[in-house]
Amino acid sequence: KAGVTQTPRYLIKTRGQQVTLSCSPISGHRSVSWYQQTPGQGLQFLFEYFSETQRNKGNFPGRFSGRQFSNSRSEMNVSTLELGDSALYLCASSLGLSSYEQYFGPGTRLTVT
Amino acid sequence: GQQVMQIPQYQHVQEGEDFTTYCNSSTTLSNIQWYKQRPGGHPVFLIQLVKSGEVKKQKRLTFQFGEAKKNSSLHITATQTTDVGTYFCAGGNTGKLIFGQGTTLQVKP
Repeated sequence: KAGVTQTPRYLIKTRGQQVTLSCSPISGHRSVSWYQQTPGQGLQFLFEYFSETQRNKGNFPGRFSGRQFSNSRSEMNVSTLELGDSALYLCASSLGLSSYEQYFGPGTRLTVT
Repeated sequence: GQQVMQIPQYQHVQEGEDFTTYCNSSTTLSNIQWYKQRPGGHPVFLIQLVKSGEVKKQKRLTFQFGEAKKNSSLHITATQTTDVGTYFCAGGNTGKLIFGQGTTLQVKP
């Protein structure tokens, strides 16, 4: 079974721009969660989607948004990028909501200049 | 809000020594999960504990969930260089999974 895939793997953007990251979960997994990982803050939960509905949301500003499609694929959007948004963005899929084990993708490394 | 604290942040050990990382939550958890992230990699699920006082073993790794379901520990016996990486606990509560800051383990051969 194929693992979680994320595209693109690397991205360089300028302050003020917006970016869209994509995540394809493991086949059969209906839950997709997004995390921001930085050296200083560890793994920060962004949001979780299950069956196209946002079920949980972390403490991030409204510039961070996401959605999930009927095939469980998910996208995350960050508008008006700031330097502090530079991070590794990880997507994780699971069979059910976050009480199930999470299968992480390789991440998208976003650099904002 | 709910916090999950993990200590120590870093640990350097000689190969063959034991290693323990501790995880503490500000609230009672429904479950605790442990993940390992190798350098340059992504977190990989190790185990989930659900019951109060639960102890699970995976070869040289021993996981414990506290009686009050607010703390957990991961103990590695006789570390090997393959154990290098960052170990994260993640506490489940009210449908959210909150990760600790992680403990980065370095093993000197």
